[in-house]
Amino acid sequence: GAVVSQHPSRVICKSGTSVKIECRSLDFQATTMFWYRQFPKQSLMLMATSNEGSKATYEQGVEKDKFLINHASLTLSTLTVTSAHPEDSSFYICSATLPGGYGYTFGSGTRLTVV
Amino acid sequence: GIQVEQSPPDLILQEGANSTLRCNFSDSVNNLQWFHQNPWGQLINLFYIPSGTKQNGRLSATTVATERYSLLYISSSQTTDSGVYFCAVGGRGGADGLTFGKGTHLIIQP
Repeated sequence: GAVVSQHPSRVICKSGTSVKIECRSLDFQATTMFWYRQFPKQSLMLMATSNEGSKATYEQGVEKDKFLINHASLTLSTLTVTSAHPEDSSFYICSATLPGGYGYTFGSGTRLTVV
Repeated sequence: GIQVEQSPPDLILQEGANSTLRCNFSDSVNNLQWFHQNPWGQLINLFYIPSGTKQNGRLSATTVATERYSLLYISSSQTTDSGVYFCAVGGRGGADGLTFGKGTHLIIQP
């Protein structure tokens, strides 16, 4: 149980275009979801916290106009990378709080390559 | 913010060996998890362990919250145990995101 599905798993886009990544909780309601970014051979860094029905909270240094987050329902959060550039190439992973608040579960990640 | 340090950064072992991975954190936390990231990037939740000791097969973990460290034990290592092991901490019962350590890159050789 408590599965988070993330799509797409891999995407290649041209510089200047936008890419949307979806994160769905399949068998539970996720009032809070999180988005992380991981560069090659580095750790995961929290980008933003997404709460259903309200604006996302971004970590310091994360451009909110570039990384648009929408959490319109209790089972879906989306991350849109706008006007993507090669430096945005990274592995993006979503996460949700497990029911009861005992830990977190993670999606399988999206590898974004901007060419 | 809270700091998370993991050691060792890299570990190479022969199949069948045992290992201990350490995670130190700089402040009290309500949540601590150990993850295994496989070669495809998937984070697999190993333990939710803000305090105490847990065991799951060949893996076990202990967190001493008062001394701000956690240990992950892997016994009788198998090649499939290879990958990166992350310790991550957080607070506020799931309302905050996690702060990850830099990970331990484990290679198990046949």
